[in-house]
Amino acid sequence: NAGVTQTPKFQVLKTGQSMTLQCAQDMNHNSMYWYRQDPGMGLRLIYYSASEGTTDKGEVPNGYNVSRLNKREFSLRLESAAPSQTSVYFCASSVDRINQPQHFGDGTRLSIL
Amino acid sequence: DQQVKQNSPSLSVQEGRISILNCDYTNSMFDYFLWYKKYPAEGPTFLISISSIKDKNEDGRFTVFLNKSAKHLSLHIVPSQPGDSAVYFCAASGGGNAGNNRKLIWGLGTSLAVNP
Repeated sequence: NAGVTQTPKFQVLKTGQSMTLQCAQDMNHNSMYWYRQDPGMGLRLIYYSASEGTTDKGEVPNGYNVSRLNKREFSLRLESAAPSQTSVYFCASSVDRINQPQHFGDGTRLSIL
Repeated sequence: DQQVKQNSPSLSVQEGRISILNCDYTNSMFDYFLWYKKYPAEGPTFLISISSIKDKNEDGRFTVFLNKSAKHLSLHIVPSQPGDSAVYFCAASGGGNAGNNRKLIWGLGTSLAVNP
């Protein structure tokens, strides 16, 4: 019963380095999401994918790219990391119907020096 | 501007008593509301939800009440247990089109401590 799996769990980067955060779900969900959580800001949506082959911007997409590799996997890429991207990143998935809850992974804690 | 507000950053209750967590929202287009629980170093876990066509939804010890006229919802936990100690997030979605239905707007959370 893995649910949503995120890798890595922790990462430290230097400014300007690139990195891809991986997310996979085994619940056969159509929709997947990437959030970041910062102190005093709550969770904010970066990008989401309503179904395989589609992606859309969320509230804070700048500095990020995403790839919906297949139905199971949704990756988040930082091309040139900045200290402002230090955060905890959560991936989530849901059934693609209205009024369905999202199910979350345990997060990736990313520090950019 | 926060569209979903949880005005109490923390709450402390005794084991066995009722915990009441509050949430206010400003967008009248929201039509689906959720509560999540989050332990340290884990992701948020879905707890309970309510659609705007209802004013109450109950699941075991957890009940969510929705007052649309006041744009207010609350989560009641009865009886509270030490294992309920966590951060509780209120979230909302809606707005009519599919894109908005998928976008959850989150409050900042309330940290609940249940004391034995």
